[in-house]
Amino acid sequence: GAVVSQHPSWVICKSGTSVKIECRSLDFQATTMFWYRQFPKQSLMLMATSNEGSKATYEQGVEKDKFLINHASLTLSTLTVTSAHPEDSSFYICSASKRGLAYNTDTQYFGPGTRLTVL
Amino acid sequence: GENVEQHPSTLSVQEGDSAVIKCTYSDSASNYFPWYKQELGKRPQLIIDIRSNVGEKKDQRIAVTLNKTAKHFSLHITETQPEDSAVYFCAARLFNQGGKLIFGQGTELSVKP
Repeated sequence: GAVVSQHPSWVICKSGTSVKIECRSLDFQATTMFWYRQFPKQSLMLMATSNEGSKATYEQGVEKDKFLINHASLTLSTLTVTSAHPEDSSFYICSASKRGLAYNTDTQYFGPGTRLTVL
Repeated sequence: GENVEQHPSTLSVQEGDSAVIKCTYSDSASNYFPWYKQELGKRPQLIIDIRSNVGEKKDQRIAVTLNKTAKHFSLHITETQPEDSAVYFCAARLFNQGGKLIFGQGTELSVKP
């Protein structure tokens, strides 16, 4: 199997506070983890790519100081939304890459997502 | 960078009919093309994928075709059922880009009983 969990599944916070979201690969070690944001009725927008033990690579337009990513182990990555504002309200989804048998045959499996609402 | 275009944005079919969703990509270095199904409020689920060394792949009622020359790939669902109703996303992955996927805009499929 390839199970990815995410915690919490939803969170409501006040404007100006920080929120941490955890992403775990439960039954495999992830070569890479990814963080996406999805607005209602829109596609998945990649925010950053995360590798264990190294700094995350952020996509253009994503503020690295606002969306802090820590990749502590091969099974855990965290996303912290700092000083959250209402415009940060969204569905945040992580994914984890499971290594395939052959070179460059990794498959991405998604977590269940975290619904963030900033009041 | 890579750009993936997906059409149509919405698709309504009668139960039992076939559904086809098409995607085009811009970078010829892309070598892996997965399709994900996402039900409302849930995670995207991988339903089928194809690699650039293959032209077609089938799994029961679902098939994917790839035309590398034209840089497009399609999802085919036969004998559609109401439980196939969901949003479907295509994606493309560049070779040696750390596994990064670029997603299409999504197709909302509605299967009417």
